[in-house]
Amino acid sequence: KQEVTQIPAALSVPEGENLVLNCSFTDSAIYNLQWFRQDPGKGLTSLLLIQSSQREQTSGRLNASLDKSSGRSTLYIAASQPGDSATYLCALSTGWMNTGFQKLVFGTGTRLLVSP
Amino acid sequence: GAGVSQSPSNKVTEKGKDVELRCDPISGHTALYWYRQSLGQGLEFLIYFQGNSAPDKSGLPSDRFSAERTGGSVSTLTIQRTQQEDSAVYLCARGGASPGELFFGEGSRLTVL
Repeated sequence: KQEVTQIPAALSVPEGENLVLNCSFTDSAIYNLQWFRQDPGKGLTSLLLIQSSQREQTSGRLNASLDKSSGRSTLYIAASQPGDSATYLCALSTGWMNTGFQKLVFGTGTRLLVSP
Repeated sequence: GAGVSQSPSNKVTEKGKDVELRCDPISGHTALYWYRQSLGQGLEFLIYFQGNSAPDKSGLPSDRFSAERTGGSVSTLTIQRTQQEDSAVYLCARGGASPGELFFGEGSRLTVL
């Protein structure tokens, strides 16, 4: 059974700091991995999607890497801002079913607070 | 936005009552998912719809839970005889253009007293 762990559960940093969020998984046979952001009382916003054949994806100040062999993904946030404060979730898919369905397994998230 | 509207945003009900939660995705995307997010826990898959195919109901926690999708668009998640452990945020998501992409609605927060 695939298990996804995110450490730390919570992180508090001052504005401007670069930071790394970690996601580890137990089964390396994954189809893709996504990082989501969730603001309090809101739904999830997809930040980056890494296919299994890729090593990393970048969007603005965000960079996500994937190392299937070690069962790890990291989300790097450069020059953090108070607006980055949210919960960050990683989710991975172990593949497609006949109907095109892929069931995502989510981590429990890292709650980030960036102080001004 | 994500192109997924959910209603109600908040629902408080008494134990034993039935509730219906609605998901209305923008047209043109045939994949629709329901997830549940309980306090302090990760997201839990409930059910998946894809076009006219039979839905994947493997995540529904009990037979008190059911879901429909009418006309390939609007979906309704029904919870019968609600229990306190059903209290959670119920999130609906639609598939995107790229394989694996998901776009979530803002969720319906259910509180069972």
